[in-house]
Amino acid sequence: QVQLQESGPGLVKPSETLSLTCTVSGGSISTYSWTWIRQPPGKGLEWIGYMFNSGYTNNNPSLRSRVTMSLHTSKNQFSLKLSSVTAADTAMYYCARGAVAYNIDVWGKGTTVTVSS
Amino acid sequence: NFMLTQPHSVSESPGKTVTISCTRSSGSIANNYVQWYQQRPGSSPTSLIYDDSQRPSGVPSRFSGSIDSSSNSASLTISGLKTADEADYYCQSYDSSNRWVFGGGTKLTVL
Repeated sequence: QVQLQESGPGLVKPSETLSLTCTVSGGSISTYSWTWIRQPPGKGLEWIGYMFNSGYTNNNPSLRSRVTMSLHTSKNQFSLKLSSVTAADTAMYYCARGAVAYNIDVWGKGTTVTVSS
Repeated sequence: NFMLTQPHSVSESPGKTVTISCTRSSGSIANNYVQWYQQRPGSSPTSLIYDDSQRPSGVPSRFSGSIDSSSNSASLTISGLKTADEADYYCQSYDSSNRWVFGGGTKLTVL
């Protein structure tokens, strides 16, 4: 049974780059789509973007210029970098797997990121 | 881009049936599949419905999804409500460029 676990610093300073890693266990990262979603405190879900093993990525237009996603197949991990963060980027960040580009079948447990000096 | 609008909250009694709507603001609801996710308090979301009406394995048949082109909306129906169904429910779809859109979420109270 595939499991996803997010990891990364819980606190990031404003204007710095947020870096998160999602470790996939019980399955290969070489197939499926791999997605990042976030949820600000007390608010709804926001799609950040997804990528395939081919290297194809698709990001939320509102975040596009700040988002970098990567797959690390040798480590069975995928990562998210979000640059120039502000307090508005404070959220629970989830990684997820999709059978196709437009949905999710497995979610990670999430990791909280706070942007504060 | 389009928006997906959900009621902020719904409530119903145990054993009853409740329906949560998700209305697409522009473009046809039938153009792109709709997914539904459940998020219990303090937990990460889980997948409930994909491709408008398909249930992943392990999801009870009490949960069903549909779309209605006349109202340009998708619906999640939960029958035989249980207190464990208390959660936030989110619909999600995508546009012609495969960029995702989430509904704002609906809080279901089972009382």
